[in-house]
Amino acid sequence: AQSVTQLGSHVSVSEGALVLLRCNYSSSVPPYLFWYVQYPNQGLQLLLKYTSAATLVKGINGFEAEFKKSETSFHLTKPSAHMSDAAEYFCAVSSGSARQLTFGSGTQLTVLP
Amino acid sequence: GAGVSQSPSNKVTEKGKDVELRCDPISGHTALYWYRQRLGQGLEFLIYFQGNSAPDKSGLPSDRFSAERTGESVSTLTIQRTQQEDSAVYLCATSISGADTQYFGPGTRLTVL
Repeated sequence: AQSVTQLGSHVSVSEGALVLLRCNYSSSVPPYLFWYVQYPNQGLQLLLKYTSAATLVKGINGFEAEFKKSETSFHLTKPSAHMSDAAEYFCAVSSGSARQLTFGSGTQLTVLP
Repeated sequence: GAGVSQSPSNKVTEKGKDVELRCDPISGHTALYWYRQRLGQGLEFLIYFQGNSAPDKSGLPSDRFSAERTGESVSTLTIQRTQQEDSAVYLCATSISGADTQYFGPGTRLTVL
């Protein structure tokens, strides 16, 4: 069985500040991990994915995430928030024979001017 | 088009009616997934098609839900005798194969009155 926990359903940061969105996963086999972003009234867009290569994964729009097996975490970061980063962010896992993604409940990011 | 498309974008129906939602995959994508996103929640897996293999229906919440896909073409998700708890955004995703990145459509927002 696989599961994802996103700590913090709402996160607010000031423009220019560090963005940190937390994701912890549970999987009995090595996982594939994903971050997706959902802008208002739009579909999900892939930010980045981890597939057992480098543990530090760089994605689009300046985001990156680090896979830490010992902590079962895959937190998403961005050094400097932009107003355009305001959106909902979802962490997801797939592992083993389960091709479908299991999603966390999402984190709504607000960027304050 | 280049992406996954879904129709209709919005559907309002009365309780007890049947609805049919459509997903047009990216050309060449053999894998197709349906997910449900209830308000304020993450995505729930519903069903997975891979080529001509038997679909994985393990996520369907009840026998009122069914889906079809012929080969690598269009898929339809049918909900019979809709209930108010079926109100959600229904998202379709496709990938080149079952192990690859999933690309999401914009979704169909279903409202059951």
